[in-house]
Amino acid sequence: SYELSQSPSVSVSPGQTASITCSGDKLGDKYAAWYQQKPGQSPVLVIYQDNKRPSGIPARFSGSNSGNTATLTISGTQALDEADYYCQAWDTSTACGVFGGGTKLTVL
Amino acid sequence: EVQLLESGGGLVQPGGSLRLSCAASAFTFSNYAMTWVRQAPGKGLEWVSAINGDGGSTYYADSVKGRFIISRDNFKNTLYLQISSLGAEDTAVYYCARHAGKEAATGTRRYFDYWGQGTLVTVSS
Repeated sequence: SYELSQSPSVSVSPGQTASITCSGDKLGDKYAAWYQQKPGQSPVLVIYQDNKRPSGIPARFSGSNSGNTATLTISGTQALDEADYYCQAWDTSTACGVFGGGTKLTVL
Repeated sequence: EVQLLESGGGLVQPGGSLRLSCAASAFTFSNYAMTWVRQAPGKGLEWVSAINGDGGSTYYADSVKGRFIISRDNFKNTLYLQISSLGAEDTAVYYCARHAGKEAATGTRRYFDYWGQGTLVTVSS
């Protein structure tokens, strides 16, 4: 089955740029999405189709996807961006959704 | 505003069954595929199952295939997940989420744009 891998944790200072990566075999051939989940809350879509932002998501969130790696970038990171972030893709061979294991972003 | 409201969770004994529901509002329900995602306590998200907008095609994770059944009633704007033969590993918050498109497994909209608040299923004796 298809797997997506994420680093368990990333730390960033306020105002700096945070990069969260997601790896999978030929992930660049698929569309990647990213979700933000704060403690006790439901996930929220922040990036879809590799690099598109839903309405209401700040412009400091951006995404890219090429080769085997998708990247979520948060520019000018704020304390309120502290959360778990999950990448997601669709495995066409099994017709199943797939999530990465999640990355805990700490802003300190 | 799009709303998804799950219900039906609770405490169930090992080997037992439950039916989860997800009531949708403020959008044309039949125009969107729907998905169930679960999250075990302290763990990450796990995709569970999906169904096309017309209910004609369903998809399951290997971990639940043969035990869970996804369905929908487009007249009642409600998504269901019948879960059975439950084990401790099925303990989780179950979220319903809307696909961005009508087809769950094809096209370019295979992501989830709205999520419910979740319903907790606890499997324990």
